[in-house]
Formats: sequence, structure tokens, C-alpha cells
Amino acid sequence: GAVVSQHPSWVICKSGTSVKIECRSLDFQATTMFWYRQFPKQSLMLMATSNEGSKATYEQGVEKDKFLINHASLTLSTLTVTSAHPEDSSFYICSARVSGGRPDTQYFGPGTRLTVL
Amino acid sequence: KNEVEQSPQNLTAQEGEFITINCSYSVGISALHWLQQHPGGGIVSLFMLSSGKKKHGRLIATINIQEKHSSLHITASHPRDSAVYICAVRARGATNKLIFGTGTLLAVQP
Repeated sequence: GAVVSQHPSWVICKSGTSVKIECRSLDFQATTMFWYRQFPKQSLMLMATSNEGSKATYEQGVEKDKFLINHASLTLSTLTVTSAHPEDSSFYICSARVSGGRPDTQYFGPGTRLTVL
Repeated sequence: KNEVEQSPQNLTAQEGEFITINCSYSVGISALHWLQQHPGGGIVSLFMLSSGKKKHGRLIATINIQEKHSSLHITASHPRDSAVYICAVRARGATNKLIFGTGTLLAVQP
């Protein structure tokens, strides 16, 4: 089946630093990737939709200058948390939609746990 | 009221029991997903439904479009089935966004 990977799986950083999270579709091309955030005991919240070769579409309330998204190729999207603060500590999950596939076909990555000290 | 509601929120079962998790939604949809999230956090897509019923191993998912309701059944439950099960719908006309339920935490005891 289709596989989506994320790197790193966990990261601890100091407040004020930037952290980059990679999301890769390993065996398929993905024109659209999604970035979600999940706080403990809560459901996934969509942060932004990333389309290859164009600017990401951010959800209301998500700061685009703080959460930089780059979808440089059909298999890679990156999320950079800039000037991280402790309240950015969360579980970040990416998801990818198969290019040319049914609109509903969406695969999830294993997630990245970010802890900001 | 959330657009996607799941019940129960928490479920404890004994190994071997038949388990049902319910999902109700209030919007017109093009598809419904059942997802499984283990304690480590990774999410696995179990089913994608737009009508009828699907079966994979011990898992069965059904959907009733008219009643805006879906169920996930687990037969002969096992402790390794312990996880959070999440229902998510794609609203009709919204090609990008999934609307997630809050999840059902299932614990299967040996």
C-alpha cells in the first residue's frame, strides 16, 4: 500500500529555534499534501493544504509566517516551525493525496512529536 | 455541536468481544474514512466508504447515507486492537478538507 513517511519522528528544541519536519510519499506522487496538528486527547486539526509548485493554503488562525510550508516536489513537503515556543509543542501529522487518484484517497504519515523547551 | 460525532468516547472490552463504534455526521458527504491511531501516534487508514459495507479481516465498516451514520465493527477483538479509532468525513463539494470526529479510545483487555 501507499506509504507516507515523516522525519524526524520526534524532536526536542529550545524556545526560539526553528524546526523543519519532512513529509515524503515513498511510492507514489502527491500533488496535494496536508499538515495537521494534534494536541493531547484532541482530534486532528488541519493547519494547511500544500500543493506542489504553489503556495500553501492556510486555515484560519494558522500563522503562515510561523509555519512555513514548502512543497518542492511531488514526493516532498516540509513544515518549518519558526521561532518555536513551548505552546507549539504538539504532534504534527502530514497526509498525502495520490496524484490522479480518487479525490478521497488520502494516506497519513506516522507523525512528528515536537517538544519545545 | 460537532459536525462529526462518535460514540462511545471510551470503550473497554474483553478479548474476544464484538465491538461497535458509531459515527454520525450532519453534513452531506462524498466519503467517510475510518482511521486507527495507536498510542505512538501514527495513523493508519482502515476504510474509505461512500456507500454500503466493506470488510477487511476482522474489521467491518458500514455506512447509511440516508441516516448519515456509519459503524465500525471489530469481531473477535484482541488487545492489539487497542487504539483510538477516528471517523472523518469529506463534505460534499469540499475537495480538500476532512472533518474529524474526536475519536473513540478502545482498550481490549486480555
